[in-house]
Amino acid sequence: EIVLTQSPGTLSLSPGERATLSCRASQSVSSTYLAWYQQKPGQAPRLLIYGTSSRATGIPDRFSGSGSGTDFTLTISRLQPEDFAVYYCQQYGSSLFTFGPGTKVDIK
Amino acid sequence: QVQLQQWGAGLSKPSETLSLTCAVYGGSFSGYYWNWIRQPPGKGLEWIGEINHGGTTNYNPSLKSRVTISVDTSKKQFYLRVGPVTAADTAVYYCARVAITGTYVNAFDIWGQGTMVTVSS
Repeated sequence: EIVLTQSPGTLSLSPGERATLSCRASQSVSSTYLAWYQQKPGQAPRLLIYGTSSRATGIPDRFSGSGSGTDFTLTISRLQPEDFAVYYCQQYGSSLFTFGPGTKVDIK
Repeated sequence: QVQLQQWGAGLSKPSETLSLTCAVYGGSFSGYYWNWIRQPPGKGLEWIGEINHGGTTNYNPSLKSRVTISVDTSKKQFYLRVGPVTAADTAVYYCARVAITGTYVNAFDIWGQGTMVTVSS
């Protein structure tokens, strides 16, 4: 099973700042099968990024994804008030999906 | 617009079996895998398993012995049964869609609203 580790656990930033979230895998992940989600309290997660770097429908271009192999990054270029939430990375491999533990982005 | 609507009992007793249903509205049932994911209070997401319209299933090995996912294509519904349950199964349970081909392959693009299930005597 591929284990995903996310860092930092919490990121405290101000609106307008840049957020850089890391997702590291215990073994190599196909870039096709790496996704990122945003979750706000009381809501289901929302798909932001799929295939490492492609934005899902309706996702603003301030969200971008990159990476390969075992290291992946979600970047939010200029934080908006609605971006403060928890972010999860997810991978698929060997007929098994796993999620990272999440990074909480909160207001500084 | 595809929507997933889920329902089921919100309270289960230890050693019983919890059952949830997820209905698919507004889209095709074939060409996708239909998934269950759970989230204990204050914790992260755990994938439970999936099924396609033909009934092929994949399960998380950590839960496989206690989980059954089934499908009724005529109703465009799929189901989750977990048992016997313990307090550790207390969580919000989500249903979600994954594409087999096309754009969102192996990413969960559509989610149900979530059902909180509490296991308590």
